[in-house]
Amino acid sequence: EADIYQTPRYLVIGTGKKITLECSQTMGHDKMYWYQQDPGMELHLIHYSYGVNSTEKGDLSSESTVSRIRTEHFPLTLESARPSHTSQYLCASSRQTEAFFGQGTRLTVV
Amino acid sequence: RKEVEQDPGPFNVPEGATVAFNCTYSNSASQSFFWYRQDCRKEPKLLMSVYSSGNEDGRFTAQLNRASQYISLLIRDSKLSDSATYLCVVTLNTGGFKTIFGAGTRLFVKA
Repeated sequence: EADIYQTPRYLVIGTGKKITLECSQTMGHDKMYWYQQDPGMELHLIHYSYGVNSTEKGDLSSESTVSRIRTEHFPLTLESARPSHTSQYLCASSRQTEAFFGQGTRLTVV
Repeated sequence: RKEVEQDPGPFNVPEGATVAFNCTYSNSASQSFFWYRQDCRKEPKLLMSVYSSGNEDGRFTAQLNRASQYISLLIRDSKLSDSATYLCVVTLNTGGFKTIFGAGTRLFVKA
């Protein structure tokens, strides 16, 4: 079992609220990723990090922001949630090649 | 053009069938190759790595052709439990390793 954890698993929140999705891994991996995935659709990379204080935007434009102050922690923040942000958000980490995923956060903005 | 392209699917097959998934990648500097499996509403999980020499794990066989930039996954004697989305994954080193996922091919195995 991979040691990467996401909280919360499910979140229903009102429009305009600020939210932070948590992702932590205990494997000491340098690289961490956030993906967005709608039901039945492909994964879209929205943010990644190669290490502490390194963050990059992914292939899909996102209004979210991320930070990497500690190796094990890669939170994603939405300053003002909108219904268009409703989706599943998957966090992953890797050392060199194989990526391990958290169980995801299913976000619904109402 | 996407960096990793897969058969669009879905594949609908009867139990016991043999099914093959194809994947092509565009960056010749790609270094590592994998097949992941994603069940409905679950996170992707590694199914198997893919090597130039080919590798087999039970009913699953993966092949890599670097010259053609092509990866395949063969499932023999398919089971109902094989129903899932299969993701082709490529890792390349762009000054730091970057992992690229294909869009996935959905497989439905029916009794």
